[in-house]
Amino acid sequence: KAGVTQTPRYLIKTRGQQVTLSCSPISGHRSVSWYQQTPGQGLQFLFEYFSETQRNKGNFPGRFSGRQFSNSRSEMNVSTLELGDSALYLCASSLGTSGGVSDTQYFGPGTRLTVL
Amino acid sequence: DQQVKQNSPSLSVQEGRISILNCDYTNSMFDYFLWYKKYPAEGPTFLISISSIKDKNEDGRFTVFLNKSAKHLSLHIVPSQPGDSAVYFCAASAVWAGSYQLTFGKGTKLSVIP
Repeated sequence: KAGVTQTPRYLIKTRGQQVTLSCSPISGHRSVSWYQQTPGQGLQFLFEYFSETQRNKGNFPGRFSGRQFSNSRSEMNVSTLELGDSALYLCASSLGTSGGVSDTQYFGPGTRLTVL
Repeated sequence: DQQVKQNSPSLSVQEGRISILNCDYTNSMFDYFLWYKKYPAEGPTFLISISSIKDKNEDGRFTVFLNKSAKHLSLHIVPSQPGDSAVYFCAASAVWAGSYQLTFGKGTKLSVIP
């Protein structure tokens, strides 16, 4: 079974621009979560989508948004980029159901975003 | 306020010995705990997990212990191998409360010395 894939792997943008990152989950997984990793803050949760609906949201400004398509693929958008948005953006997929307390998230390789 | 804490930023262990990585949490709603291994510029790789209804889970060289009363979990790697050198993250979620987000600790960098 193929793992989680993310595109692009690397991206360089300038302040004020916007960017869209893409994530394809593991086949059969309906939940997609996004995380930001920075040296100072570690891994922080952005949001989670399940069946095309945002189900959970982290503490990030409205410049960060996302969506999920009917095939469970997800995109994340960051508008009006700031220098502090430079980070590794990770996508994770899981079944997303709480039938029993176990819902393991599997991560993609990440997109390294550099804002100049 | 850090809800998941890994108080040791780094750990060095001799090859063949046991590695013990520790993690503490404060949120009593957490009911599912996971350990991930991560190399720089790559996504975290899932290692092992444990639900709050258990106190131990084993998978090959990896064992996770959960002490709910102390809000503490640990990952044991026996025997440690040089290929285990990486950053290990502890993560927790509150699935029964409908929250699927993972809250991560800051990580512990494990170095296994040949």
